[in-house]
Order: sequence, then structure tokens, then C-alpha cells
Amino acid sequence: EAGVTQFPSHSVIEKGQTVTLRCDPISGHDNLYWYRRVMGKEIKFLLHFVKESKQDESGMPNNRFLAERTGGTYSTLKVQPAELEDSGVYFCASSRLGQFTGANVLTFGAGSRLTVL
Amino acid sequence: DQQVKQNSPSLSVQEGRISILNCDYTNSMFDYFLWYKKYPAEGPTFLISISSIKDKNEDGRFTVFLNKSAKHLSLHIVPSQPGDSAVYFCAASAGAQKLVFGQGTRLTINP
Repeated sequence: EAGVTQFPSHSVIEKGQTVTLRCDPISGHDNLYWYRRVMGKEIKFLLHFVKESKQDESGMPNNRFLAERTGGTYSTLKVQPAELEDSGVYFCASSRLGQFTGANVLTFGAGSRLTVL
Repeated sequence: DQQVKQNSPSLSVQEGRISILNCDYTNSMFDYFLWYKKYPAEGPTFLISISSIKDKNEDGRFTVFLNKSAKHLSLHIVPSQPGDSAVYFCAASAGAQKLVFGQGTRLTINP
């Protein structure tokens, strides 16, 4: 089966601009997560979708970040306007509904590296 | 407030020897612990996990030990191989909720 696909793989933008990251989860995976890793730090949870609904968005840094998952398939994460501290690698992960018990494997994408200048 | 900590940013081990990666946590509600491995330009991939009701789980060359009283877990890799060179992340969850990750430890296996 195809893995979790993210694009762009790398985006370089200037402060104040807008960027949209996209994640295509594994087909049939209703759970979709966004995580972010700022250089050298921990991988931090941003939010969790179950199908098209936001189950937990407690990790979203502020209202400059907007995540959507229309139709419960792919998801987008928009940053508007981008700030310097938004630089990092944004990971998407997915799993089947009811499967994530903490012991199960989340399948991660390769990440989208965002550089804000 | 970081709930999962990996205090060693890097570790260098000779091929064939044992690699020991450590992780500390503060949240006593965590009931599952996982290790992920990450190569450059790739996403983290699951390596091994352990439930809080166990103190050891083994899978081939990889063994995870959990010390609940000390809120500490470790990953042992024996014998270490060059392909094990990667960044290793410790992660934990409480009640099947979101994963909480540590900062990662870069492991380098020297030939």
C-alpha cells in the first residue's frame, strides 16, 4: 500500500507570506495527525482528525495555523501569515480508526520542511 | 513543560557493541511507550513498544526496558550495526491519546 504522502517536501518563504502544506494519508486511515519538529527539539503534536472532524487541536500554536480535512481524505495545514518561529519540519501521520492504542504504529510521512526567512 | 526527555543529544558506539538510549518521563498517566527511528529526509518509523504493565519487551536485537518507579525507559541495541545510525525518538501516550515525543538522540555506529 502507498504510504503517507506529504508535499511540498521543502518550502522557503518570507515572513508574512502564506504556505499550505498537504498530507495524503494511507487510504482507509481515518485518523490523521499533524506534528511539528523545530530544529533539534522534540516532535510536537499539533492536531488530530478523525475523518473530517477535529478530535484534538490542543497543540495548534495560534490562530495563524488552520488545518482542514474536507471529505475526510487529504488534509491541509495553512500558515498565514508565517513567522520566523514557524520554521521546522511538519509531519503528518495516519492510522486506522480504533487501531491507535498507543501500542500501534502510526505511519508517518517524510515531512514538509518549512523555512521562513 | 516537557513530559518526555531524552537528555543525550548524541551517542557514538562501535559496531558490534551495545547501544543504550535513555528516556525519562514525568507523567505517571502514560501507559504506553514507543521508540521510533528516523533517517534523514524520512519520517519516523516505529521500532518497538512496551506497555506500562511490563518491564521488558524484546524484538530481535532491540530490547526496551521500563522502570516505572524511576519513570525511566531505555532501548538496548545488541549488536549495533552501521544501519542503526539514525535519530531515535522516545514517545509515550496516555489512554490511547496523542503521542508525546522526546527530543531525539542521534546514534552513530562506527565501523
